Amino acid sequence: EAGVTQFPSHSVIEKGQTVTLRCDPISGHDNLYWYRRVMGKEIKFLLHFVKESKQDESGMPNNRFLAERTGGTYSTLKVQPAELEDSGVYFCASSQGLQLRQYFGPGTRLTVT
Amino acid sequence: GESVGLHLPTLSVQEGDNSIINCAYSNSASDYFIWYKQESGKGPQFIIDIRSNMDKRQGQRVTVLLNKTVKHLSLQIAATQPGDSAVYFCAENAGNMLTFGGGTRLMVKP
Repeated sequence: EAGVTQFPSHSVIEKGQTVTLRCDPISGHDNLYWYRRVMGKEIKFLLHFVKESKQDESGMPNNRFLAERTGGTYSTLKVQPAELEDSGVYFCASSQGLQLRQYFGPGTRLTVT
Repeated sequence: GESVGLHLPTLSVQEGDNSIINCAYSNSASDYFIWYKQESGKGPQFIIDIRSNMDKRQGQRVTVLLNKTVKHLSLQIAATQPGDSAVYFCAENAGNMLTFGGGTRLMVKP
């Protein structure tokens, strides 16, 4: 069974540009989460989808971040416009039904210059 | 790796010895706890989890201990191997999101 996949693995963009990150959860997992670790900080929750609905987006830092999960399968996280402080590693995780165990993808390393 | 710039406490052990990694959590209402292992360039990998109605759970070479009185979690790795070298994170479940600790780097000396 394939795990959580993320694309791209690395992205380097200039301040003010737009970047879209993609996450494909484990097949059949209704729950999809986005987390990120910025330099020097801990891994922090961003938001949680149940199927195509946003269950909790309390961790989204500001309105430059937009997450979607149309169709309830893969998800995208768009940062527009990117700022220097957005640099870090963005992780996606998924879980099945009511199970609490979350499986993480390899992450996307975002560098904003 | 992702830990660049993040100052992590480090535990250095001899190959074959047992390792104990500790974690303090903050939310007394958390009812689920999980340990992840992260190797350089990879995402957090599930190791073991435990619910708050238990105080101990064992896996293959790993044991998690939960002390709710002092809000402390520990991960014990038996017969530590070079492949165990990584950063280890504890996380607590608050609602449906995980709240992560800062991580501990485990270094295994051959």
